[in-house]
Amino acid sequence: AQKITQTQPGMFVQEKEAVTLDCTYDTSDQSYGLFWYKQPSSGEMIFLIYQGSYDEQNATEGRYSLNFQKARKSANLVISASQLGDSAMYFCAMRPNFGNEKLTFGTGTRLTIIP
Amino acid sequence: SQTIHQWPATLVQPVGSPLSLECTVEGTSNPNLYWYRQAAGRGLQLLFYSVGIGQISSEVPQNLSASRPQDRQFILSSKKLLLSDSGFYLCAWNLGKTTLHFGNGTRLTVT
Repeated sequence: AQKITQTQPGMFVQEKEAVTLDCTYDTSDQSYGLFWYKQPSSGEMIFLIYQGSYDEQNATEGRYSLNFQKARKSANLVISASQLGDSAMYFCAMRPNFGNEKLTFGTGTRLTIIP
Repeated sequence: SQTIHQWPATLVQPVGSPLSLECTVEGTSNPNLYWYRQAAGRGLQLLFYSVGIGQISSEVPQNLSASRPQDRQFILSSKKLLLSDSGFYLCAWNLGKTTLHFGNGTRLTVT
């Protein structure tokens, strides 16, 4: 079974600063994918970034990057130059690449950007 | 392009009443379909998933059920709602092991 841990229930960050959202995971699978989703107050889940367990380089998508440390089983999301529109809930998730198709989510971090 | 529609957006139902939430996907064939529930301030809990018509896997025993009458239609139902069924329900789809795409969700309040 997979488990995702997000230890920061809430964070406050000044606008334009970088922010790191923590995510650690526990799995016995050797091949898996890691995902980050953003959930604004409207409730929709927006896919941000994906990292495969065998990817040699950390994933990047615009202002989002994933700090993947496989030995430590961590997959932290880094948002550079934060904007007011970044205020939202952020969820880390993982899915094994073999077997079931299910995505397991963490409990989320509520990020608030302060102007 | 693919789109996912989920309705209604909000719903207030009394305890003991039935429930039917509907989700449809357009622009693709044979998607995997999922129902997740998010309790207030909590993460997402997978309720049901389906890899094909009539194929439903249940993750959590409860008074909810799911059906997939058509390839791109996924329905979440209950015969008698409980107070604990209140929450935010999200439908999602993907193909194989691609990224999961979510609908806009249904906020259910059971009174």
